[in-house]
Amino acid sequence: AQSVSQHNHHVILSEAASLELGCNYSYGGTVNLFWYVQYPGQHLQLLLKYFSGDPLVKGIKGFEAEFIKSKFSFNLRKPSVQWSDTAEYFCAVGRSGGYQKVTFGTGTKLQVIP
Amino acid sequence: DVKVTQSSRYLVKRTGEKVFLECVQDMDHENMFWYRQDPGLGLRLIYFSYDVKMKEKGDIPEGYSVSREKKERFSLILESASTNQTSMYLCASSLQSHGYTFGSGTRLTVV
Repeated sequence: AQSVSQHNHHVILSEAASLELGCNYSYGGTVNLFWYVQYPGQHLQLLLKYFSGDPLVKGIKGFEAEFIKSKFSFNLRKPSVQWSDTAEYFCAVGRSGGYQKVTFGTGTKLQVIP
Repeated sequence: DVKVTQSSRYLVKRTGEKVFLECVQDMDHENMFWYRQDPGLGLRLIYFSYDVKMKEKGDIPEGYSVSREKKERFSLILESASTNQTSMYLCASSLQSHGYTFGSGTRLTVV
């Protein structure tokens, strides 16, 4: 079974700082990778996804993630965060070709200070 | 806008009650899922369904069952609610090769 590790549980940044959230997974086969975001009081929504092709994936609101197969990693990045990026971020991995069942990480709470 | 709708936002139930959580999607998605979300544990998969009347156990199915009689509706059933089932329950749906669309969640408290 696949598993996902998010190393940072709580991150505090000032506005305009750069962001990188770590995500590592364990699964030997081909994977689909996702980042989801949950803003305060809102439902989870898809930020970006990787299925195949270019390992650098761009998502909404200026976020991007890079799939590094050799490191089993899919880190989320943003060059300059805003106060509105305050949210909880979840990395998720699913087996390619499966029923879209994914395993989620434990989440990283990001707090951006104005 | 496409939607996954969970029937209740908040529920309070007594220990031992049978509890039904309902989820409806209007996107004609094949796959539907029930997760529970707990602080520090992330989302854990309870059950999922890839077709009408089909269901598969997730990672933590004990104490739960599901029903999918129609494509758009996926119900989670707590056969006999216990306090350790107090949690946020999230329903999601998906098509192949797409990410999930989540509902707003049902916060269940079992007293």
